[in-house]
Amino acid sequence: DQQVKQNSPSLSVQEGRISILNCDYTNSMFDYFLWYKKYPAEGPTFLISISSIKDKNEDGRFTVFLNKSAKHLSLHIVPSQPGDSAVYFCAATSLDSGGTSYGKLTFGQGTILTVHP
Amino acid sequence: NAGVTQTPKFQVLKTGQSMTLQCAQDMNHEYMSWYRQDPGMGLRLIHYSVGAGITDQGEVPNGYNVSRSTTEDFPLRLLSAAPSQTSVYFCASSYFGRTEAFFGQGTRLTVV
Repeated sequence: DQQVKQNSPSLSVQEGRISILNCDYTNSMFDYFLWYKKYPAEGPTFLISISSIKDKNEDGRFTVFLNKSAKHLSLHIVPSQPGDSAVYFCAATSLDSGGTSYGKLTFGQGTILTVHP
Repeated sequence: NAGVTQTPKFQVLKTGQSMTLQCAQDMNHEYMSWYRQDPGMGLRLIHYSVGAGITDQGEVPNGYNVSRSTTEDFPLRLLSAAPSQTSVYFCASSYFGRTEAFFGQGTRLTVV
């Protein structure tokens, strides 16, 4: 059973416009969420994260929104650039009382983002 | 700093052969883990380690062994390769108290 789902396999966006990538989760124990970006033949690289005590986190052009009641999060990229073209993975984890995940992440299937010039 | 280094980058095995995928990190991270990436499945956790001498199973551990004798190294062993183990394997490491993991470049393994 897929506990983290990215239901859109691909997304195509024009340069300068907003990209919105979506992610749903089913496990209520997840309390920390991350987005990773992956280029071909490279490993995933960390992009941005959000704790369940927040509903929004911003880092430059990237903003992650969390709706706990809907078990849904989204990544907004504004403005989108051709260099943003990559596979984006949503990941979730449960933190222990010390705030650590021990490196145990549950990933979604990924969404291929293509930003056209 | 090299970060997380995986070797080899590519490998072809015959069914039944054994091999070890190497992973080393130079960031003095406490936690290390192995994931496999398959089409339509995302990355799935195979095994993880919270420190030297301590390992545990992830979501898909069958057919794989791990050990962690040093903080830096976390090899993944396939004792008898099967075609179902054809995948891209990623090693990752992370700090105590931090959630984001740093990934290696991956090993593409094909079992024929």
